[in-house]
Amino acid sequence: QQKVQQSPESLIVPEGGMASLNCTSSDRNVDYFWWYRQHSGKSPKMLMSIFSNGEKEEGRFTVHLNKASLHTSLHIRDSQPSDSALYLCAASNNYAQGLTFGLGTRVSVFP
Amino acid sequence: EAAVTQSPRNKVTVTGGNVTLSCRQTNSHNYMYWYRQDTGHGLRLIHYSYGAGNLQIGDVPDGYKATRTTQEDFFLLLELASPSQTSLYFCASSGTTNTEVFFGKGTRLTVV
Repeated sequence: QQKVQQSPESLIVPEGGMASLNCTSSDRNVDYFWWYRQHSGKSPKMLMSIFSNGEKEEGRFTVHLNKASLHTSLHIRDSQPSDSALYLCAASNNYAQGLTFGLGTRVSVFP
Repeated sequence: EAAVTQSPRNKVTVTGGNVTLSCRQTNSHNYMYWYRQDTGHGLRLIHYSYGAGNLQIGDVPDGYKATRTTQEDFFLLLELASPSQTSLYFCASSGTTNTEVFFGKGTRLTVV
């Protein structure tokens, strides 16, 4: 059983559309949530982090966090073909365990 | 941007062979990590360290040893490689537990 569950497994989005990705942790000791993006053949790179309840926006990307339910979501508006990638949700805590990753959501944006 | 360099980038070894994967970071980060990435399992933490001489066990440590010789250098050792260890290995570093983790480009290891 994955401690970090992501849905959907894959998503096809038209160019200019909205992509919505979900992530939930089953570990109640989690303090921080991260979203990483991994293009094909590349290493993961951090997209956004969120530590407090609420919403955070950076350009076309918005993340939400509900700490009570340990649920975070990532929304990509005006999706571009360059957004096609594997999106990884990760969780961590203050006990120095490193990041625990979900299996990812593969997003494909078609022109 | 923070730099994490892994070597080799590709490695093929035989079952029972000895393999050492190397990682160097020049970010003055305290934490270094070894992950493996496999389809269906995602990224899984093998070992990590928060300073020279320190080693912590991750989620999938069996069959792996690691050593942090300096602040900059972290090595992953497979002493009796098995086909189940065929994977893409990433080294990463971070300043603290709640700061961004920077990944190297990965080492693709094949055990035949």
